[in-house]
Amino acid sequence: ETVMTQSPATLSVSPGERVTLSCRASQDVITNVAWYQQKPGQAPRLLMSGESTRATGIPDRFSGSGSGTEFTLTISSLQSDDFAIYYCQQYNNWPQTFGQGTKVEIK
Amino acid sequence: QVQLVESGGGVVQPGTSLRLSCTTSGFTFSSYGMHWVRQAPGKGLEWVAVIFYDGTTTYYRDSVKGRFTISRDDSKDTLYLQMNSLRAEDTAVYYCTKGGHFFGYYSHYWGQGTLVTVSS
Repeated sequence: ETVMTQSPATLSVSPGERVTLSCRASQDVITNVAWYQQKPGQAPRLLMSGESTRATGIPDRFSGSGSGTEFTLTISSLQSDDFAIYYCQQYNNWPQTFGQGTKVEIK
Repeated sequence: QVQLVESGGGVVQPGTSLRLSCTTSGFTFSSYGMHWVRQAPGKGLEWVAVIFYDGTTTYYRDSVKGRFTISRDDSKDTLYLQMNSLRAEDTAVYYCTKGGHFFGYYSHYWGQGTLVTVSS
């Protein structure tokens, strides 16, 4: 199966900072990667899919890039509502696989 | 708006069975692939199974193959997960998700989840 590796595991940042989360696939997944945000006690929410397409209602401070095996999610200016765990997922191969998550916490 | 409501979770003993249901509304159910995704307590997300829009194709993660069956009833806009021979490692919140495509692809919308606890 395709292993998705996220880095770092935890990121301590201050509101207003620019944040870059990384996700690496163990094999080529083209651009078939999605990003999700999960807050404590809540279901995950889709942020991005495919070639950097934001889901409905996702603010434009979120952007995604990458293809092949290297992907990034960037938050241009972190807001208080953005402190959460972020997961990448590949949907190019079965089984679909998620990264282990990056926790973005308040510095 | 899209709504997904899971039910059927609970506490069961190892080796027993459970059937989860996911009632949907707000979209044309028969046009989309549907997934089950689970999350063990304090752990990350784990994809479980998908069923394509027409019900003809399903895929499973290896650890549930032969034990779990995903199915759909388009007349009721409802997704199911039949779970047999349950193990302690199946303990998790199970989420029903609407795919972004008729073959599933990513999980566009998520239900709130139903907790399955397998314990003696």
